[in-house]
Amino acid sequence: SQTIHQWPATLVQPVGSPLSLECTVEGTSNPNLYWYRQAAGRGLQLLFYSVGIGQISSEVPQNLSASRPQDRQFILSSKKLLLSDSGFYLCAWKGTNTEAFFGQGTRLTVV
Amino acid sequence: RKEVEQDPGPFNVPEGATVAFNCTYSNSASQSFFWYRQDCRKEPKLLMSVYSSGNEDGRFTAQLNGASQYISLLIRDSKLSDSATYLCVVRESSGDKLTFGTGTRLAVRP
Repeated sequence: SQTIHQWPATLVQPVGSPLSLECTVEGTSNPNLYWYRQAAGRGLQLLFYSVGIGQISSEVPQNLSASRPQDRQFILSSKKLLLSDSGFYLCAWKGTNTEAFFGQGTRLTVV
Repeated sequence: RKEVEQDPGPFNVPEGATVAFNCTYSNSASQSFFWYRQDCRKEPKLLMSVYSSGNEDGRFTAQLNGASQYISLLIRDSKLSDSATYLCVVRESSGDKLTFGTGTRLAVRP
């Protein structure tokens, strides 16, 4: 069966520091992968999605970037974090019936 | 206009009540629809897909009105464990992008 791993679960970073969040999927090949952010009390905002290695679509201009170096690996990065980058970051992959399955998320607090 | 709109609630209902949520979407080319459930500080989890003919899963019924561009979720005989935020999700015709509503919060009281 397919599983999705996301780490770390929580992260506290100072303003101006870099960020790297990793997501890996097991049990499937060539999945569509997504990064979402959920700010406190807000809905899920799609940040990036990828349909294959090296293919990244950005939904919202921001302080973040994404990369897909391997088929089942999706990385979210920032060179310098802002306070507004705080939130709940969720990685997801799209299944055969087009629904999405989420990792457990990373709760990022920028201080 | 938001792509996917939901009443944020909260809907505060007693156990055993029937409650219904609606969700409207703006893109008439949208092709797939889902309801997700999100518990506090947890990731969203798929509750059910929404089929054009309507579908039922136990106490949950989902319906689609393509002409009016809304979907609904009906929960019968509410349980305390149904307390959560319910997210409406729409897939556009290209198939790559899923758009989430901001969610409707349900609180079931004893």
